[in-house]
Amino acid sequence: AQKITQTQPGMFVQEKEAVTLDCTYDTSDPSYGLFWYKQPSSGEMIFLIYQGSYDQQNATEGRYSLNFQKARKSANLVISASQLGDSAMYFCAMREGYNTDKLIFGTGTRLQVFP
Amino acid sequence: DAGITQSPRYKITETGRQVTLMCHQTWSHSYMFWYRQDLGHGLRLIYYSAAADITDKGEVPDGYVVSRSKTENFPLTLESATRSQTSVYFCASSEPRQGMNTEAFFGQGTRLTVV
Repeated sequence: AQKITQTQPGMFVQEKEAVTLDCTYDTSDPSYGLFWYKQPSSGEMIFLIYQGSYDQQNATEGRYSLNFQKARKSANLVISASQLGDSAMYFCAMREGYNTDKLIFGTGTRLQVFP
Repeated sequence: DAGITQSPRYKITETGRQVTLMCHQTWSHSYMFWYRQDLGHGLRLIYYSAAADITDKGEVPDGYVVSRSKTENFPLTLESATRSQTSVYFCASSEPRQGMNTEAFFGQGTRLTVV
């Protein structure tokens, strides 16, 4: 069964606007972590933000915030004030339990920011 | 330089050949991972290792072999390359710490083409 689902293959947003990238997950483990990574056209993987299953507040890192809805099993990434440099692939990932550092990724969303 | 490096960056090989992709990290991270990235599939875990001499299968291990005799190295071998193994391969490492918020650090990727 798919553990991480990203249903948006591609998204467009105008510069300076906010955009939400969707991520849903499936796990029966009460302890898990959710991550977002950015992959620009150069290919490297850049860690953006983390949310723990027990965290009471939504994570924020600069212009990135995570809309964590535990009951719905969703962890959407919100990018505020989009910039042209935000154009990239974005991957949601999950780690289950405390006994492993294994990360499972979704299929990704390609974001394009236009002027 | 400190970090995680993969070699080679690009490789073309023929069907049936054995090829080894190298991964070296200087942080002494316990965990190391191999992923392959294919359009429409995101990143899929091939193998991972929790420590030297401890390895385990991921989602797509068939046709691949790994070893980890030293903490810092985690080579991936394709024993008899097939065209379906044409992909971009990423090595990553992480070090567990209290809580779940250990992000993985990625190498630059190896683009492998099997002809």
